[in-house]
Amino acid sequence: SQTIHQWPATLVQPVGSPLSLECTVEGTSNPNLYWYRQAAGRGLQLLFYSVGIGQISSEVPQNLSASRPQDRQFILSSKKLLLSDSGFYLCAWRGKTGTPNYGYTFGSGTRLTVV
Amino acid sequence: AQSVTQLDSQVPVFEEAPVELRCNYSSSVSVYLFWYVQYPNQGLQLLLKYLSGSTLVKGINGFEAEFNKSQTSFHLRKPSVHISDTAEYFCAVSDVLKRNFNKFYFGSGTKLNVKP
Repeated sequence: SQTIHQWPATLVQPVGSPLSLECTVEGTSNPNLYWYRQAAGRGLQLLFYSVGIGQISSEVPQNLSASRPQDRQFILSSKKLLLSDSGFYLCAWRGKTGTPNYGYTFGSGTRLTVV
Repeated sequence: AQSVTQLDSQVPVFEEAPVELRCNYSSSVSVYLFWYVQYPNQGLQLLLKYLSGSTLVKGINGFEAEFNKSQTSFHLRKPSVHISDTAEYFCAVSDVLKRNFNKFYFGSGTKLNVKP
């Protein structure tokens, strides 16, 4: 079965420091992968999605970036964090279209607090 | 682009009472529909989904939802809620059109608060 791993679970970082959040998927190949953010009291905001290695689509221009160095690995990064980057970050993969598995499976999330 | 409206940001309800969480979407094109539940500090978990077939969909934890194409709605219901159902619920829509396959559109969420 497919599983998705996301780490770390919580992170406290000072303003201006770098960020790296990692997400890996097991049990599937060539998945569509997504990064979402939930800010306090707000809904889900799509940040990036990737349909394959090295293929990244950005939904919201900001100081975050994403990379997909391997088929089942998706990384969210920042060179310098801002206070507004605080939030709950969720990685997800999407099941194949036209199959009963179609839909998102989410990781357990990373709570990022920028201080 | 799709938009998804969850009309109620918070729904208080007493234990063992029925509940309905409302979801409406904007586009009349063919869609796939989903409900997710999020417990505090956790990721989202799939409750149920409509891909095709019967418009009444049954999910986990006793929840069900009905797809109404004419009203572009996908309301979530449970006949008798438990304290453990306290969580935030998200409705999501995905267009069937191939060019939009990659995006899901989420509502802003409804916080269900079940009181004893």
